[in-house]
Amino acid sequence: QKEVEQDPGPLSVPEGAIVSLNCTYSNSAFQYFMWYRQYSRKGPELLMYTYSSGNKEDGRFTAQVDKSSKYISLFIRDSQPSDSATYLCACAGGYQKVTFGIGTKLQVIP
Amino acid sequence: GAVVSQHPSRVICKSGTSVKIECRSLDFQATTMFWYRQFPKQSLMLMATSNEGSKATYEQGVEKDKFLINHASLTLSTLTVTSAHPEDSSFYICSAGRQGTETQYFGPGTRLLVL
Repeated sequence: QKEVEQDPGPLSVPEGAIVSLNCTYSNSAFQYFMWYRQYSRKGPELLMYTYSSGNKEDGRFTAQVDKSSKYISLFIRDSQPSDSATYLCACAGGYQKVTFGIGTKLQVIP
Repeated sequence: GAVVSQHPSRVICKSGTSVKIECRSLDFQATTMFWYRQFPKQSLMLMATSNEGSKATYEQGVEKDKFLINHASLTLSTLTVTSAHPEDSSFYICSAGRQGTETQYFGPGTRLLVL
C-alpha cells in the first residue's frame, strides 16, 4: 500500500464547475499537507499548505484535511481552462521529507 | 518570494557522457535541497536529500556514484549524472526547503534525453 493514494484521473469538467480532488494517506505521523499544481513539462507549483486538520481557503481554492479519516481534499470553485493541469497532493511528518501522490490530471473544458 | 531556478531546462547527450544540472534558490537560503526524478505518468520520486556542507542522503535504489550531488552553498546544489545511459532519460526536478517549514519550492525541471 502506498503511503499516499491519489486517483490519477483524468478528470474532465466543464468550465465553471466545482472540482473536488482527494487523497488518502496511511501514515499517522503526517502533520503537514500540501497541494501542488504541475503543468505539462514544468516543475510543481505550491498551491496550498496546511498544518494538521482543518480548512484553508485562498481565492478559488479550498484545502481540507481530516486527520481522523486520513483524507485530504482540494476544491476549486468556478474552474477555468487555465486550471487544467495535474494536481499533486503531498504529506509530510517533519524534517522536510515529503511523500507525494501520483497526481490527478484535470481538464477544464471551455 | 521562494523562487527556484534550474539549468539547463533541456539537455540531450550521448550515452556514456556526464551531465550536470544546477539548482539555485534565488531569493532565500535553502539549507536543504531535494532531487527528484519523474517518469511519464508517474509521481515524483525522491532521489536524494542534500544539506549544505554535508554529504547527500540517497534513497534506496539510487546509485550515489552515478548521481553525484554537491551542495556547496545555501543557494546552489548540483546533480551530475555520470556515464549517462538511455534509461537515465527522465525529467529531473530539484526543490528547496525553507528552514522552519515543511514546504518545498520546486524548480522548473530539466528534461534529460540520453541517446
